[in-house]
Amino acid sequence: GAGVSQSPSNKVTEKGKDVELRCDPISGHTALYWYRQSLGQGLEFLIYFQGNSAPDKSGLPSDRFSAERTGGSVSTLTIQRTQQEDSAVYLCASSSRQGSPLHFGNGTRLTVT
Amino acid sequence: GENVEQHPSTLSVQEGDSAVIKCTYSDSASNYFPWYKQELGKGPQLIIDIRSNVGEKKDQRIAVTLNKTAKHFSLHITETQPEDSAVYFCAASIDQAGTALIFGKGTTLSVSS
Repeated sequence: GAGVSQSPSNKVTEKGKDVELRCDPISGHTALYWYRQSLGQGLEFLIYFQGNSAPDKSGLPSDRFSAERTGGSVSTLTIQRTQQEDSAVYLCASSSRQGSPLHFGNGTRLTVT
Repeated sequence: GENVEQHPSTLSVQEGDSAVIKCTYSDSASNYFPWYKQELGKGPQLIIDIRSNVGEKKDQRIAVTLNKTAKHFSLHITETQPEDSAVYFCAASIDQAGTALIFGKGTTLSVSS
């Protein structure tokens, strides 16, 4: 079946511009995560959505970062006024319930010039 | 919050040798410990996980051990093959709704033939 889909796969933007990254989770999965992976670094937790509960935003690095999940399905991660240090691979994952395996997309590689 | 440390950052072995990757965690309430494998250009994929009510779990050439008292867990790969070359991530979380999975920084495993 279809896995987690992320778009675009690559994004190059100029410093100061806003970007939107999209994640389509596996149908029926109630949990959705965003992680950031910088070169040589691990998976940095950004934000977590679980069903209708308030999202856990504790990992967002600054107020330039925000995310929403509409209708309990598709999620959009928005980065405003991008900086060069925002360059990284942004990974989305979903799971059917707490404690179930996370299914990752292939990520969006963001490059800020 | 939870903090996960992972060692070593890089590991090179000869085909057929064993490989061991170790992780420590900080939150004694954590009770779910998965391991993920990431190949180049792809998202991480779950290879094995363990919960705190067991000390060891095995799946063919892969095993994970958990020491809750010392707050550390390890991944053991026996009879390594070139296709085991990848980045491996450990993670920890409290297995309840609303808790995000926190990852280590990863180990790059290289298996030479």
